[in-house]
Order: sequence, then C-alpha cells, then structure tokens
Amino acid sequence: NAGVTQTPKFRVLKTGQSMTLLCAQDMNHEYMYWYRQDPGMGLRLIHYSVGEGTTAKGEVPDGYNVSRLKKQNFLLGLESAAPSQTSVYFCASSYWGLAGDTQYFGPGTRLTVL
Amino acid sequence: KNEVEQSPQNLTAQEGEFITINCSYSVGISALHWLQQHPGGGIVSLFMLSSGKKKHGRLIATINIQEKHSSLHITASHPRDSAVYICAVSRLYNTDKLIFGTGTRLQVFP
Repeated sequence: NAGVTQTPKFRVLKTGQSMTLLCAQDMNHEYMYWYRQDPGMGLRLIHYSVGEGTTAKGEVPDGYNVSRLKKQNFLLGLESAAPSQTSVYFCASSYWGLAGDTQYFGPGTRLTVL
Repeated sequence: KNEVEQSPQNLTAQEGEFITINCSYSVGISALHWLQQHPGGGIVSLFMLSSGKKKHGRLIATINIQEKHSSLHITASHPRDSAVYICAVSRLYNTDKLIFGTGTRLQVFP
C-alpha cells in the first residue's frame, strides 16, 4: 500500500495564479483532511471530508476550495494564490472520525507564493 | 489562550536520558493523539488514547482526564528520537476534527 500520497511535493506560484493539490489514499478511508503548517503555529485544518461527495470547512477555509468526487481522492484548490498562502500543506486520512481512529498523513507539499 | 498547550517548546537531551513532554488542554475531549514529525517533515501518529496509559517500545503515553493533562515519555532516548512531538485532541462533541498543540522540538545528542 502506498498510504497517503500528495502531488506535487514542491510548487512556486506567483500571486494570482491558481493550482490544485492532489491527495490520494489507498486505505479505503472515509475521512480525509487538508491542513496547513506555518512556523510557530500548530497544524490548522483547512477543509475536511467525511465521505465521498462531502466536504466541510475547517478552521482556516478562506481562499481554498476542495472536492471529493472519488473516495480515494481529495483535491485542494487555490483559485487566486496570495503570499499568505505560502505554507506546507499536509493531507491526512482516517477510517473513522478522530475519537476512535488514527490519522495517516501524506508527505506534505511545500508551496511558495511570490 | 490555546486550547492545547505543550511544554516545553524545546528540549535537548543526552543519549540515554529519560524524557517527558507535557500536554495540557482546556476542553472536554473524546481522545488525545500524540504525533511525531520527523526532521524531513513527515508526520506519524504515535498514540491515540482516551484513558490510562499506552506503551510502544520505548515510548509511553499517559493521560489524566480529570486533570486535562497528558504526558509522553521516552525511555533511553536516542538521537533518532530527535523530532517535533505534537499533541492533538478531538473535542467531546465534535469528533471529526483535531485541535493541535504547537509541538515540542526534541534534540537528542550522542
């Protein structure tokens, strides 16, 4: 099993450009999450999904959109990138909700917005 | 004030030392997670617990629900234990999400 994979690993964007980050998991997990990690701050939840076709806002959703058209994939989109979105983005998945299950994390995507 | 606080923020140790990292939280929880973030950035889940104590190899995690406190212990520390250790909790009535602490950076020297 590949676990949780993220594409791309690194990306540099100019302000105003758009891009999509892809997260894929092969563990048949129901729950998927997108986080961002910034220096001096804990991981912050951007959006999450509790099953195929569902999405929900997390703590810091502004400027991002997501889609979960297939159970194994969770896409994070930036429509018009801003320097404040420079961060490391992590995707994670779990079978159940987080009261009773472990999260599995992808390797991260380092995004720089100039 | 953050809902999840970790201490210390930074910790250095000599190989072989016993290490304790603390996590305090201010909300009712259904579970507490300990995660390890390697120097290369990857994040691995170490423990999930809602009561008592769990042990895996040289790692021990304990939780006191009444005191809203958890500790992560590393016995016989080794340089390969150098990492950032992150505490996170799932709220009692909102179990779909985690609230994360800012992490404790541990460096173990030979």
